[in-house]
Amino acid sequence: SAVISQKPSRDICQRGTSLTIQCQVDSQVTMMFWYRQQPGQSLTLIATANQGSEATYESGFVIDKFPISRPNLTFSTLTVSNMSPEDSSIYLCSAQRGGRVTEAFFGQGTRLTVV
Amino acid sequence: AQSVTQLDSHVSVSEGTPVLLRCNYSSSYSPSLFWYVQHPNKGLQLLLKYTSAATLVKGINGFEAEFKKSETSFHLTKPSAHMSDAAEYFCVVSDSGGSNYKLTFGKGTLLTVNP
Repeated sequence: SAVISQKPSRDICQRGTSLTIQCQVDSQVTMMFWYRQQPGQSLTLIATANQGSEATYESGFVIDKFPISRPNLTFSTLTVSNMSPEDSSIYLCSAQRGGRVTEAFFGQGTRLTVV
Repeated sequence: AQSVTQLDSHVSVSEGTPVLLRCNYSSSYSPSLFWYVQHPNKGLQLLLKYTSAATLVKGINGFEAEFKKSETSFHLTKPSAHMSDAAEYFCVVSDSGGSNYKLTFGKGTLLTVNP
């Protein structure tokens, strides 16, 4: 398994500001992902964080709004830029070891409220 | 393309009675299937996974699921519900045969356990 630490665990932010969420894995992993979980909803994949290169974004998500970094095999950040109340969600980091198939491990999530 | 449908958004059972959470999937390749549980204000925990080995998969806390290719189903069961089982459950599919290891989440089933 892998233990994922995510911080902050929660934050309340003013609209128009940006928040950077950090994700640290306790061991090297092949793949890291960022998800959004809106209130009462399921998880939606934002992007795949690629080590040493630009993230791969899903439809509906763009780099200007959700810049992602992944400088090494154990760490990634997600920034939520120019926030609005619609960005209020739980943001989750996950990691997979790769290979033919592996389960994903999840951080505890960051509960973001934009006021 | 892959997708997953959880047939019930909410299931309510009495403590000590069986649990059945239904999931149907669609996948272009040989799928890997997972069930995750999310307790209130907690992260996601893997209950069990199917990866083309035995079709009946046993997980943690007494849960099990059966992969039925002919029915494209992966229903989650437990013989006797416990109060601590009350949580949100997500069925998840991954196209393990392709190069895409992304997970697709169902919309979730909220399990309520009544005393």
